[in-house]
Amino acid sequence: EVQLVQSGAEVKKPGESLKISCKGSGYGFTSYWIGWVRQMSGEGLEWLGFIYPGNSNVKYRPSFQGQVTISVDKSISTAYLQWSNLKASDTAIYYCARWVYHGVDVWGQGTTVTVAS
Amino acid sequence: QSALTQPASVSGSPGQSITISCTGISSDFGGHNYVSWYQQHPGKVPKLMIYDVTNRPSGVSHRFSGSKSGNTASLTISGLQAEDEAVYHCSSYTFPNTVFGGGTKLTVL
Repeated sequence: EVQLVQSGAEVKKPGESLKISCKGSGYGFTSYWIGWVRQMSGEGLEWLGFIYPGNSNVKYRPSFQGQVTISVDKSISTAYLQWSNLKASDTAIYYCARWVYHGVDVWGQGTTVTVAS
Repeated sequence: QSALTQPASVSGSPGQSITISCTGISSDFGGHNYVSWYQQHPGKVPKLMIYDVTNRPSGVSHRFSGSKSGNTASLTISGLQAEDEAVYHCSSYTFPNTVFGGGTKLTVL
């Protein structure tokens, strides 16, 4: 069974840094793009970017370029989403997801990030 | 990359059929058929219901069907059931860009 298991909920203060993770299992981790989707409270879904673990090639949605960093450690089948300077507006649920040829087919369980002073 | 446009809400009675539209611009759909639909119950993870405009993943009820005409994709749910009440998101994928709609809340009356 294909599974994406994310790290737990985080509560941070503005200006702090954060790295959340997503571990893939049940499939060839290095052969599929894996990335991140944001869902702010009561809102729709937004694609942030994704990475190809086979060669660490990263693609960002232009509006998120420079705001977050996506990385991967293929030795442990884990992808990461990182912030260096959190803002209150980063408060959201972040889903990791696997992309196949037609788009997202599998989702992680979500990581809630709360940024508040 | 503007979001695809979906109605905020739709409703229907048990047993009826409803259709949810998803409108984009020509570049959103890029002349391809990589349109997907996801069902999301409150507090739950999105679930893939339709891919490639019309295809259902294994395990998804035949009551769910998809179509596309020009720049508008549609999801139809027939024989509405209480368990169908959820938010439905459309998505278009043209590598590397993934665009989602704003989501449509389906209420089963």
